[in-house]
Amino acid sequence: GIQVEQSPPDLILQEGANSTLRCNFSDSVNNLQWFHQNPWGQLINLFYIPSGTKQNGRLSATTVATERYSLLYISSSQTTDSGVYFCAVDFYILTGGGNKLTFGTGTQLKVEL
Amino acid sequence: NAGVTQTPKFRVLKTGQSMTLLCAQDMNHEYMYWYRQDPGMGLRLIHYSVGEGTTAKGEVPDGYNVSRLKKQNFLLGLESAAPSQTSVYFCASSYSMDNPSYNEQFFGPGTRLTVL
Repeated sequence: GIQVEQSPPDLILQEGANSTLRCNFSDSVNNLQWFHQNPWGQLINLFYIPSGTKQNGRLSATTVATERYSLLYISSSQTTDSGVYFCAVDFYILTGGGNKLTFGTGTQLKVEL
Repeated sequence: NAGVTQTPKFRVLKTGQSMTLLCAQDMNHEYMYWYRQDPGMGLRLIHYSVGEGTTAKGEVPDGYNVSRLKKQNFLLGLESAAPSQTSVYFCASSYSMDNPSYNEQFFGPGTRLTVL
């Protein structure tokens, strides 16, 4: 079946460190999104990035659609970056429209002082 | 601009009780979705709607019903709640005809449901 795999599953960083999270997907995608789920459970949109590179402050993301992976870079990490990072891909167009997001299992990030 | 809102935020039900979760969006989006998230997992699609008056089944639809009588609202109903429906429920919306090539999904804050 269609798979979305994220690595690493868990990551502990010291504040100020940099990290790279990876998302591999098994088929061609229409869209790809990165989310941060904070410790209160809220899903925060980070990037909508079906291809190419985008940057937003200390975060950036790159999707190489032809090689079926995406990377999320976090630089100068802060304790507020803690939480779970999800990659979600849209493999199909649903009946009549809409797009079904298939989520990876996430990367649990903890940033310590 | 509130984005996507959900009510209630928390609810505890007994097995067999019914309830309705309400989702509202103010972004004039055409598409709306209901997902559930279980511990340690990503989200899974329950039902979705591509427009007012339309609904369709997602990945895990059993035990749920939905309705979209107004474009801005999407209701999720549990007719006879079961412990297996204990989960966090997220609503999302996407797609505006003003920008048809852009299909980013935006999520509400979630409803934490416990069925005893």
